[in-house]
Amino acid sequence: KAGVTQTPRYLIKTRGQQVTLSCSPISGHRSVSWYQQTPGQGLQFLFEYFSETQRNKGNFPGRFSGRQFSNSRSEMNVSTLELGDSALYLCASRSWAGTEAFFGQGTRLTVV
Amino acid sequence: AQTVTQSQPEMSVQEAETVTLSCTYDTSESDYYLFWYKQPPSRQMILVIRQEAYKQQNATENRFSVNFQKAAKSFSLKISDSQLGDAAMYFCAYRSARGQGAQKLVFGQGTRLTINP
Repeated sequence: KAGVTQTPRYLIKTRGQQVTLSCSPISGHRSVSWYQQTPGQGLQFLFEYFSETQRNKGNFPGRFSGRQFSNSRSEMNVSTLELGDSALYLCASRSWAGTEAFFGQGTRLTVV
Repeated sequence: AQTVTQSQPEMSVQEAETVTLSCTYDTSESDYYLFWYKQPPSRQMILVIRQEAYKQQNATENRFSVNFQKAAKSFSLKISDSQLGDAAMYFCAYRSARGQGAQKLVFGQGTRLTINP
């Protein structure tokens, strides 16, 4: 069974640009959540989707958005990039009744 | 809001010895889950062990075991017979069992574990 797949693995963007990150969950998993990991703030929850609906959102500005498709794949978008958005973005999937979340390898975003 | 605290930013242990990583959490809920995740240099978060709050028995997975003290809100991880491959960043995490909190993990700041050969 394939794990959680995140693409791309690395991204370099310029301030003011926008970026889209993709996450394909484990087959059968309908819950996808996103986290931002930085040395200063640690791991912070961005949002969670289940069956194409955002069920929960963390304390991030509106520049951070996401969506989920009918096949459970999810994308997150960051508009008007700032230097402080440089981080590792992790995606995790969970089955409907599952206890644990399974993580992808992350996308390393660098904003210059 | 729930918080998770790992008070040891770094720990080191000799290969084959035992090490214990500490984690405390704050919550007013009675039903929740606790996890230890490992993040090696490859960056992928790997689940090490989980504990359901309603279970009094401490979870064990091979060389990994936890000491879950619900009243003290403490959840430590013990690694026995440490191996070089155990070197990683270890995160303690909390998830509510129901409600909106059930949709997210709350992480501690992590403990970097070094294994000395």
